[in-house]
Amino acid sequence: AQSVTQLDSQVPVFEEAPVELRCNYSSSVSVYLFWYVQYPNQGLQLLLKYLSGSTLVKGINGFEAEFNKSQTSFHLRKPSVHISDTAEYFCAVTPAAAGNKLTFGGGTRVLVKP
Amino acid sequence: DTGVSQDPRHKITKRGQNVTFRCDPISEHNRLYWYRQTLGQGPEFLTYFQNEAQLEKSRLLSDRFSAERPKGSFSTLEIQRTEQGDSAMYLCASSTGTQRSEAFFGQGTRLTVV
Repeated sequence: AQSVTQLDSQVPVFEEAPVELRCNYSSSVSVYLFWYVQYPNQGLQLLLKYLSGSTLVKGINGFEAEFNKSQTSFHLRKPSVHISDTAEYFCAVTPAAAGNKLTFGGGTRVLVKP
Repeated sequence: DTGVSQDPRHKITKRGQNVTFRCDPISEHNRLYWYRQTLGQGPEFLTYFQNEAQLEKSRLLSDRFSAERPKGSFSTLEIQRTEQGDSAMYLCASSTGTQRSEAFFGQGTRLTVV
């Protein structure tokens, strides 16, 4: 079984400041890793994913994440946030052989202040 | 293509009533997933289909929950004898089924049991 821990439930940040959202996972098998964003009363939108290869993954809207196998982490970063980045962010994993049977973390709510 | 479509978007029902939700996946996607998201939590995997075959249903929350995908296209999720604890957002996602394919989520159906 897999589990995902998002270490911060809420992250307030000023506009144009950098932000980092932390994600740690546990799994006994190889996994794929994902970050999703959810705006109020909306579904989930994929920001980026790590399947294999380079451990630094770039996604949409200026986000990037780094896979660290030894620390079982997949932290999300953005160097300069906008008001429109206010949303909830979810880290998720799935066994590499299991398609999209995703296990999600509890989410991190990002509030961007002007 | 308009993406994954879910209907209704909102449903209020009295405790003890049955409810059914519909999901229309992206047309060429042969995999379809159902998730449940309670307030303040990440989505929780419930079940999934490869075409019309339901490949896993052990995560369905109780025998009051059932899902179908009779012709391998749209899917329905039914909850019988609803309870207040069933109040949640029910999310549907679809993918092409190749191992590295991305899951696309619908906007969800928000169920409120009163």
